[in-house]
Amino acid sequence: EAQVTQNPRYLITVTGKKLTVTCSQNMNHEYMSWYRQDPGLGLRQIYYSMNVEVTDKGDVPEGYKVSRKEKRNFPLILESPSPNQTSLYFCASSFRAGRAYEQYFGPGTRLTVT
Amino acid sequence: GQQVMQIPQYQHVQEGEDFTTYCNSSTTLSNIQWYKQRPGGHPVFLIQLVKSGEVKKQKRLTFQFGEAKKNSSLHITATQTTDVGTYFCTSGTYKYIFGTGTRLKVLA
Repeated sequence: EAQVTQNPRYLITVTGKKLTVTCSQNMNHEYMSWYRQDPGLGLRQIYYSMNVEVTDKGDVPEGYKVSRKEKRNFPLILESPSPNQTSLYFCASSFRAGRAYEQYFGPGTRLTVT
Repeated sequence: GQQVMQIPQYQHVQEGEDFTTYCNSSTTLSNIQWYKQRPGGHPVFLIQLVKSGEVKKQKRLTFQFGEAKKNSSLHITATQTTDVGTYFCTSGTYKYIFGTGTRLKVLA
């Protein structure tokens, strides 16, 4: 089954404790992206990747890191989480970057930073 | 930077009534995509529009892209309880800007 998976689905952590949220897709997609969703603000793009080893900032990259060493994986790293990073995070992928391609979203990771 | 405004933020309708959500941009958009997110779920792609004045239909859903490619609308005819969720518009090719979404509640 074609899908985007994220782990963990739920995470409660403390300020400053490094964490990684994994994202994996099995559709051989070139493009992957991370979003955060906050009430009243919709989805905001954190980082995206056009292909392996090619990443760039979205609208809200501060406090986050990403890497794309393999085509299928696009982990999101919070080196020193803060309470304002409490949010619902979605990973998404599409065949490639470009206006013709829909994005497939993962199930989401609900992160709480205390 | 580019912004996409979406209205209304919330809409409650009686089952069987129509529903419309609008997206507006101050700049010309290369495309517009619409997604639906069910409560507790993740966004799911509905449709994409790329041409000026384009209209597409999916059963009871009608999508329009404005002539100037600065606005778009999603219209649902005769809403059903299965239409409940938040509808988002977005535009981009690798950097994506999302509207804030319209949360639809359908009262049976």
